[in-house]
Amino acid sequence: EAQVTQNPRYLITVTGKKLTVTCSQNMNHEYMSWYRQDPGLGLRQIYYSMNVEVTDKGDVPEGYKVSRKEKRNFPLILESPSPNQTSLYFCASRASEGGWYNSPLHFGNGTRLTVT
Amino acid sequence: AQSVSQHNHHVILSEAASLELGCNYSYGGTVNLFWYVQYPGQHLQLLLKYFSGDPLVKGIKGFEAEFIKSKFSFNLRKPSVQWSDTAEYFCAVNAAGTGGFKTIFGAGTRLFVKA
Repeated sequence: EAQVTQNPRYLITVTGKKLTVTCSQNMNHEYMSWYRQDPGLGLRQIYYSMNVEVTDKGDVPEGYKVSRKEKRNFPLILESPSPNQTSLYFCASRASEGGWYNSPLHFGNGTRLTVT
Repeated sequence: AQSVSQHNHHVILSEAASLELGCNYSYGGTVNLFWYVQYPGQHLQLLLKYFSGDPLVKGIKGFEAEFIKSKFSFNLRKPSVQWSDTAEYFCAVNAAGTGGFKTIFGAGTRLFVKA
């Protein structure tokens, strides 16, 4: 089954404790992205990757890191989490064949992060 | 800057009522338009999309949307909602040529359908 898998689904941590949220897709998509969803703000892009070893900042990259060493994986790293990073996070991927702008996003199930 | 505006943040309807959710975008170039749905506790799923051709597009579960280029709008409609349509709906734009290769989302509309 084609899917985007995120782990963990729920995470509670304390300020300053480094954490990683994993994301993996099995659709051979070149494009992957991370979003955070906050009430009234919709989805805001954190980072995206057009291909292996190619990453770029989205709209709200501060406090986050990403890496893309393999095509299928795109982990999100919070080196020193703070309470304002409490949010619902989604990983997504998209096919590039035929033009990236023609392709819809495929989302993971989300990770609800609470930073105390 | 490119943006997507959804007119209503919360909508409450009774079953069998008709639905129209507004979406306007600001971008002068070629756009591809999407509506995504997020059921409670789930991830976003594609509801329908518009790339070109017939401006009236049909999606899953009886939803449709109409692209009106002159109004920069892509409103979502359903003639008769069901309780199971309770969800949050997001309008989104893939804006070609922005250089940023990103999908821009609206803030979402929460729909609650009363049984």
